[in-house]
Amino acid sequence: QKEVEQNSGPLSVPEGAIASLNCTYSDRGSQSFFWYRQYSGKSPELIMFIYSNGDKEDGRFTAQLNKASQYVSLLIRDSQPSDSATYLCAVISSGTGNQFYFGTGTSLTVIP
Amino acid sequence: DGGITQSPKYLFRKEGQNVTLSCEQNLNHDAMYWYRQDPGQGLRLIYYSQIVNDFQKGDIAEGYSVSREKKESFPLTVTSAQKNPTAFYLCASSVRQGWEPQHFGDGTRLSIL
Repeated sequence: QKEVEQNSGPLSVPEGAIASLNCTYSDRGSQSFFWYRQYSGKSPELIMFIYSNGDKEDGRFTAQLNKASQYVSLLIRDSQPSDSATYLCAVISSGTGNQFYFGTGTSLTVIP
Repeated sequence: DGGITQSPKYLFRKEGQNVTLSCEQNLNHDAMYWYRQDPGQGLRLIYYSQIVNDFQKGDIAEGYSVSREKKESFPLTVTSAQKNPTAFYLCASSVRQGWEPQHFGDGTRLSIL
């Protein structure tokens, strides 16, 4: 079982809609969770982090964490074509010496 | 401006040649990492270092070597033993390993001539 799993997509949403990206993780003791955005041919860019159960909002982005169910999600409101990218979920797993694990990413396309 | 600088942006390797990818950071971060990314794939950890003069192998260390003689520098050598080196190489750093997010350089794209 992989430490972090994401649906590879592709996920397509119309401009202005809400895009919902999901991620599950295997180590129940994980404490730190991150979302990165990676445009084609570029390096990953940190867009959100969350440490506590519940929601964390930053502009059009909301990260949601549910430790009991071991999933973390990213909502993008009012999606724009510039949001089209691959979104990587990352988790720090305390069970393996605080190793940083990345999911394989979900490709998002926002259709104008 | 603080950040992570990777050079060169593009690199070509001939058969039997070792090449070294540079990674420098001025963020005063303790931990540094090297990842490999193949087209359409996720990130795979090659090596990481939590402190100067110490580093550990990641999931795909074979055919690669690193050094960490200075806090700000973590060069990666792709040796001739790495038979399929064509990939996008990413260097990252974090304040320390464990709780903090990783921040990435712009990457080096390595190809075989």
